[in-house]
Amino acid sequence: QKEVEQDPGPLSVPEGAIVSLNCTYSNSAFQYFMWYRQYSRKGPELLMYTYSSGNKEDGRFTAQVDKSSKYISLFIRDSQPSDSATYLCAMTLNSGNTPLVFGKGTRLSVIA
Amino acid sequence: DGGITQSPKYLFRKEGQNVTLSCEQNLNHDAMYWYRQDPGQGLRLIYYSQIVNDFQKGDIAEGYSVSREKKESFPLTVTSAQKNPTAFYLCASSTGTNTNYGYTFGSGTRLTVV
Repeated sequence: QKEVEQDPGPLSVPEGAIVSLNCTYSNSAFQYFMWYRQYSRKGPELLMYTYSSGNKEDGRFTAQVDKSSKYISLFIRDSQPSDSATYLCAMTLNSGNTPLVFGKGTRLSVIA
Repeated sequence: DGGITQSPKYLFRKEGQNVTLSCEQNLNHDAMYWYRQDPGQGLRLIYYSQIVNDFQKGDIAEGYSVSREKKESFPLTVTSAQKNPTAFYLCASSTGTNTNYGYTFGSGTRLTVV
């Protein structure tokens, strides 16, 4: 079993749709959770960061963590063509000095 | 502006050659990382360094080597022992030894074997 599972897609939605991206993980010790956005042929950029369980909102983006289910989500409201990218989830332990563990990424296309 | 600079953006390697990918950061970050990205494989950790003159192997270190002589620099050498080097290589750094707040990534180097 992989430590972090993420559906690679591709996911195609019409402009204005609500997008839900998800990851599951197996290590209950993970405490910090991140979402990265990666445009084609570019490096990933940090989009959202959350600690432990709960929700965090930033504009059109909401990150949700359910530690009891080992499940994290990223919601994008009013999706735009500029949101078309690959979204990677990442997580780490609480020890503070271990490398991030990444999901494989979900490729999203928002069609105008 | 602070950031991570990877060079070159594109690199072509002949069979049997060693090539070195550059990664420089001016963020004053202690930790630096090299990842390889292949279609459908996600990001796979090659090497990482938490402090100058020290580094650890990641999940796929075979055929690669690194050095960390300066805090700002973490070059990656792809040796001839790496049988399938064609990939997108990403360098990243993080604050101190704490990865809880995520990484800053460079813009990547695309390596192709010709």
